[in-house]
Amino acid sequence: DADVTQTPRNRITKTGKRIMLECSQTKGHDRMYWYRQDPGLGLRLIYYSFDVKDINKGEISDGYSVSRQAQAKFSLSLESAIPNQTALYFCATGTGASDTQYFGPGTRLTVL
Amino acid sequence: LAKTTQPISMDSYEGQEVNITCSHNNIATNDYITWYQQFPSQGPRFIIQGYKTKVTNEVASLFIPADRKSSTLSLPRVSLSDTAVYYCLVVGAAGNKLTFGGGTRVLVKP
Repeated sequence: DADVTQTPRNRITKTGKRIMLECSQTKGHDRMYWYRQDPGLGLRLIYYSFDVKDINKGEISDGYSVSRQAQAKFSLSLESAIPNQTALYFCATGTGASDTQYFGPGTRLTVL
Repeated sequence: LAKTTQPISMDSYEGQEVNITCSHNNIATNDYITWYQQFPSQGPRFIIQGYKTKVTNEVASLFIPADRKSSTLSLPRVSLSDTAVYYCLVVGAAGNKLTFGGGTRVLVKP
C-alpha cells in the first residue's frame, strides 16, 4: 500500500552512527506510529504521535527519538546505533475511534 | 492494558476453515478487538475489527461472545496464500493500548 512509505527500505550501518528512518503518508491520518520487530517476535511500539504537537513514548523508546515534521511525516532517529537495534522497523498511521492502523513496507536496519 | 493470549501456531489444509481464538480477560468497556495479518518481511495488514457479537467482511468473520473476554477469528476455506501470522489486538479509543503479542502462525498445507 503506497499510502504509507518508508525510506530507506534497507540500511546497513556501523555502531555509533546516527541513523534516521523516514515515514510519509498520504492517508491524511493524524496518528502515526513507529514499531520494531525482531525475528520471530511480534511488533513493539517505540513512539507514537496523535498530531504534530503530540509525541509519546511507547514501550521501548530508549535509544530512539522521533520528529513529527508535519501531519504527513514522522521520522525515527537512532542517535548512536548499537547492534541490538538491528531489526525490522515499521511505520503506521491510525484513524478512527478504534484506531485501525495502516502499515508501511518496513525498513530493515542492520547495525554492525 | 488488556493483554491478549492466542495459540502460537496452527496447521490447516487448503479449503478448510481456520478458527483462531484469542483471550482478553481484562478488556475494557471502550476497547475494540482487532485482527491483523502479516506476511514475512511485510507490514501487518488490517483484517477485521469488532466490538461485540459477530462481524463479517469479504475476508473473515469475527465472533465475540457477550462477555467479550475472548474472540474468534474465522477464515473460511483457506488457501496457501493465507499462510501468515495473525495478531489479535485489543485497542482502546485513545490508541495507546497497542500491544502486538507473538501472534498465531497459520500454516496452510496443500
